[in-house]
Amino acid sequence: DARVTQTPRHKVTEMGQEVTMRCQPILGHNTVFWYRQTMMQGLELLAYFRNRAPLDDSGMPKDRFSAEMPDATLATLKIQPSEPRDSAVYFCASGLVPMAQGILETQYFGPGTRLLVL
Amino acid sequence: SQQGEEDPQALSIQEGENATMNCSYKTSINNLQWYRQNSGRGLVHLILIRSNEREKHSGRLRVTLDTSKKSSSLLITASRAADTASYFCATAANQAGTALIFGKGTTLSVSS
Repeated sequence: DARVTQTPRHKVTEMGQEVTMRCQPILGHNTVFWYRQTMMQGLELLAYFRNRAPLDDSGMPKDRFSAEMPDATLATLKIQPSEPRDSAVYFCASGLVPMAQGILETQYFGPGTRLLVL
Repeated sequence: SQQGEEDPQALSIQEGENATMNCSYKTSINNLQWYRQNSGRGLVHLILIRSNEREKHSGRLRVTLDTSKKSSSLLITASRAADTASYFCATAANQAGTALIFGKGTTLSVSS
């Protein structure tokens, strides 16, 4: 049963520390997304990749956040330095977009990383 | 920015009753999807309806789409306590390379 995996599942850190979250998308999926979910803002799209190339990261605070895909099996989201307002659940999702059509259909979400910045 | 807006924000019903959630969106779409999120978990895809479809069924789920009104509804029939979750609509633009845009969700509580 293929699924998206995320590590760590929980992270508590102090303000100013670097946080790295990792995601392993479903094998064969060509699109990877990072979302942030909070009670106030709901589910926000931070960044996404197609075939490992960043397509859109306009939802991400550029000064402290960075997202990369070192290879097709790993996506990372880093926050440096972290701030209390970054406390949220961060979700990774992957999907397969047919190259001919290019329209996204089903996204498969990971279990999320629950981040608390003190 | 959110494209979809779910209504109501919260819904409480008894087991066996039907639950209806609505979603409105602003721009033209290729498809609209509904996802469920159980507390503390990731979102799970439920059903997809394309812009040229008006109604779709999957088990106890029925989705309708009215592109003239830019709205969709999700009906869960004969609800169960296990249906307790948040439900989100997400829209896919009719443009290659764009991501799904999610609404803020409807929180459904089904009591036994």
